[in-house]
This record gives sequence, C-alpha cells and structure tokens, in this order.
Amino acid sequence: AQKVTQAQTEISVVEKEDVTLDCVYETRDTTYYLFWYKQPPSGELVFLIRRNSFDEQNEISGRYSWNFQKSTSSFNFTITASQVVDSAVYFCALRLTGANSKLTFGKGITLSVRP
Amino acid sequence: GAVVSQHPSWVICKSGTSVKIECRSLDFQATTMFWYRQFPKQSLMLMATSNEGSKATYEQGVEKDKFLINHASLTLSTLTVTSAHPEDSSFYICSARSEATQHFGDGTRLSIL
Repeated sequence: AQKVTQAQTEISVVEKEDVTLDCVYETRDTTYYLFWYKQPPSGELVFLIRRNSFDEQNEISGRYSWNFQKSTSSFNFTITASQVVDSAVYFCALRLTGANSKLTFGKGITLSVRP
Repeated sequence: GAVVSQHPSWVICKSGTSVKIECRSLDFQATTMFWYRQFPKQSLMLMATSNEGSKATYEQGVEKDKFLINHASLTLSTLTVTSAHPEDSSFYICSARSEATQHFGDGTRLSIL
C-alpha cells in the first residue's frame, strides 16, 4: 500500500520569506507519479506539478521549486519570496501508473503568509 | 482555465431531498472519474472510482445505495446523494484523469438542513 506523509500541519511565515513544504512517500512500486496540489480558501484543487518516478530532475517554475530525492523518498516543495496569495492548503500525492490507480493524498499543510 | 467543470458549486436543501452533482471534463475524454469527499481541515477521501459505461467501484465504507454514481459518457459523471441527511453535509469534489494528470473540479458544498 502507498502512503504519503506531510509531517508539517501548519506553517506561518511573513511575506517574502522562503518556505519549504515537506513530503515523504512510501511505495514498493518502482514506477509512480508524484503530485502537488494547492487548495486555496475557495476550495478548488489547483494542480501544481506532476513528477515521474524515473525523472529525478529538480524543477523550477517561477517562485516554485521542487526537490525530488528517491534516495530519501521525498518530494519537497519550496516557495521563494512567499506572498499572501500563497496562503492555502498544499497536498502532496502519489499514484501508481495503472489505469485505475488511485491518488493517495497526504494530510495537507496549511500555509499562512502574513503581510 | 478549468479543465473539469463541477456543478452546482453549493447546495442547501432540506433533509430527505436527493441532490445531483455533475462533473464534466472539458476538452478531453475521461474514461475514469473519481469522487471525493472532504471534511473541514481534512484531506480528500476517495469515495468511488467511476468508469464510463460500467458500474462504479466504491471504497470500503461508502454506501453505494446512498451515493449513486453514473458515468454515462466520456465527459460526464454524476453523483446523486439520495435522501440526504445532515450528516451528508460536506464538500464533494470530482476529478477526471487526462493522461497521467488528474484534474479536479471546483467542488460542491452540500449543506443539509
């Protein structure tokens, strides 16, 4: 069975600070996908990134960056120069590659960015 | 723009009413759709997996007679909460898979009085 652990439950930072959201996963499968989603107070889930298990390259998208380390089964997410609009719940998730495979979500991290 | 459209956004109704929620994939065909339920300050809980043209697969503990799922076409799945009661009040979110990525609707806030 798959498991995603987001040990941090709530993080509060002041605007312009950098913040890293941790994600550790467990699976016995060698091929899988990892995801990050953002859920702002309005409730919708916004897709941020998908990473294949065989692609360990780190990724940067604007202020967002992701660090995928298979050796430690981690897929951490860093927001640089945080903004108030980044305040949301962030979910890390894992899915195997089968057609009907299910997303396994972490419990989510509530990020509050104060002005 | 949104790739999954979910309606309605919110519903308030009396106990005993049945409520239908629609989920449409826009610009792509989704052979598999998923329905989730989310309680306040909690993660998403998968309720069922819906495949076009076949019966939905429900997760353990989810009443299939209570939560009717229909996936009649490659772009539409519906969830009907039958004879809803206050304990069914929650945030329901649908999801559709496009290739390897799963996209989510905006969710439906259901409040049963």
